[in-house]
Amino acid sequence: GENVEQHPSTLSVQEGDSAVIKCTYSDSASNYFPWYKQELGKRPQLIIDIRSNVGEKKDQRIAVTLNKTAKHFSLHITETQPEDSAVYFCAASMGGNKLVFGAGTILRVKS
Amino acid sequence: DTAVSQTPKYLVTQMGNDKSIKCEQNLGHDTMYWYKQDSKKFLKIMFSYNNKELIINETVPNRFSPKSPDKAHLNLHINSLELGDSAVYFCASQGIVNTEAFFGQGTRLTVV
Repeated sequence: GENVEQHPSTLSVQEGDSAVIKCTYSDSASNYFPWYKQELGKRPQLIIDIRSNVGEKKDQRIAVTLNKTAKHFSLHITETQPEDSAVYFCAASMGGNKLVFGAGTILRVKS
Repeated sequence: DTAVSQTPKYLVTQMGNDKSIKCEQNLGHDTMYWYKQDSKKFLKIMFSYNNKELIINETVPNRFSPKSPDKAHLNLHINSLELGDSAVYFCASQGIVNTEAFFGQGTRLTVV
């Protein structure tokens, strides 16, 4: 079955710096890779996603890159702000009603 | 209008009891999930349903029994609760394949 590994588990950055979170997946049939943000005590919410026919996608300060050959994908946040502090989850799906999440990254943005 | 709603939000109960968590979505989605989030924040998939049919059971103890009376509802019944069942349980729904999954607000279950 699908397995998703996520690194680092915690990440501290200074306000204004960039943050990068990396994930690898095991099932080469996976074709959908969303990223979720979970603020303290809240539900996970989608921030960006990418499909396997695309190598990169950007939305304002966040971007995601996908390397299908290496089976890894990354989240990039530029110009970090204190409100970016949260837990970030990557996920992978091969479309079979199974969305598998990574272990999460606690991002702290220090002002 | 809440897209995915769960009840209750908090549940405190004693070991050995049986409890249920309800989930409803008004998005018209065919797929619904239950996830367990433990104290380390890991979101572990438990069950996946598509149009009322069980698709995935991720080796969850049979004390956990999901029930989907219709495609808008997916309830979770837990028998003989154990301390290790303490966690936040999230329901989620998803529309067509490879699109956004929407989460409920979570149910924090505490077994004492």
